[in-house]
Amino acid sequence: TQLLEQSPQFLSIQEGENLTVYCNSSSVFSSLQWYRQEPGEGPVLLVTVVTGGEVKKLKRLTFQFGDARKDSSLHITAAQPGDTGLYLCAGITGDNFNKFYFGSGTKLNVKP
Amino acid sequence: GAGVSQSPSNKVTEKGKDVELRCDPISGHTALYWYRQSLGQGLEFLIYFQGNSAPDKSGLPSDRFSAERTGGSVSTLTIQRTQQEDSAVYLCASSLAQGVEAFFGQGTRLTVV
Repeated sequence: TQLLEQSPQFLSIQEGENLTVYCNSSSVFSSLQWYRQEPGEGPVLLVTVVTGGEVKKLKRLTFQFGDARKDSSLHITAAQPGDTGLYLCAGITGDNFNKFYFGSGTKLNVKP
Repeated sequence: GAGVSQSPSNKVTEKGKDVELRCDPISGHTALYWYRQSLGQGLEFLIYFQGNSAPDKSGLPSDRFSAERTGGSVSTLTIQRTQQEDSAVYLCASSLAQGVEAFFGQGTRLTVV
C-alpha cells in the first residue's frame, strides 16, 4: 500500500485550462515536496511545504499543505504545453527521516 | 558539481551479469538516497546513506542488491546476477541533511535482456 495517494493518475487538458492535483494520506508529514519529472530525466523539485495550512505560489502553480499536514494540492492556472510531465508528491514522516515516501504520480498532458 | 550526476545514463546487460551504477552527489550533501522507478511509476525507496554509513537499507529488494558510499561522497549501487525484473530507472538523490529536500540525478536506465 502507498502511503501517499495521488489523484488523478492521468490528466489530459487543453492549453489555458486550470487543473488541480491531489496528494492524500492518513499519515502526518513533517514536510512535503512536489516534483515534476520529464521523460528521461530525474524529478526536479518544485516546492517544499512544512507548515499546516501553508500556501506557496510559483508563477502559475499554487501549492497548499493541509491544516493537519496529511494532504496537499497543486493547482495550475492557465496550463501551458510546457507544464506537461509527471507530477510527484513526496513526504517525510516525523517518525522516519530516512526516506521520502512518494506518491504514484499524476501524468499531465497539456495539448496546444 | 552543480547537480547530482549519475553514470552510466543507460546500461543494457545480459541476465545473470553484475552491474555497477554510480552516483556523484552535490558537494557537501551528507544524505544520499537510491530509488528505483519502473516505467513512469512512482519512486520505490532502496537505501539511504548518512555520510558513509547506511542506517536504512530496508528497501533493497534482495541480497543481490548492495550499495556503498566512500569518502562521504560517491556512491555505487551494485546488482549481482541481474534478472529481467531489475529493469528500471535507478535514481540517486542527495540532500544537505537528513529529512531536508532532496535533489535528484537524471537516473540510470537499466535494461536486462
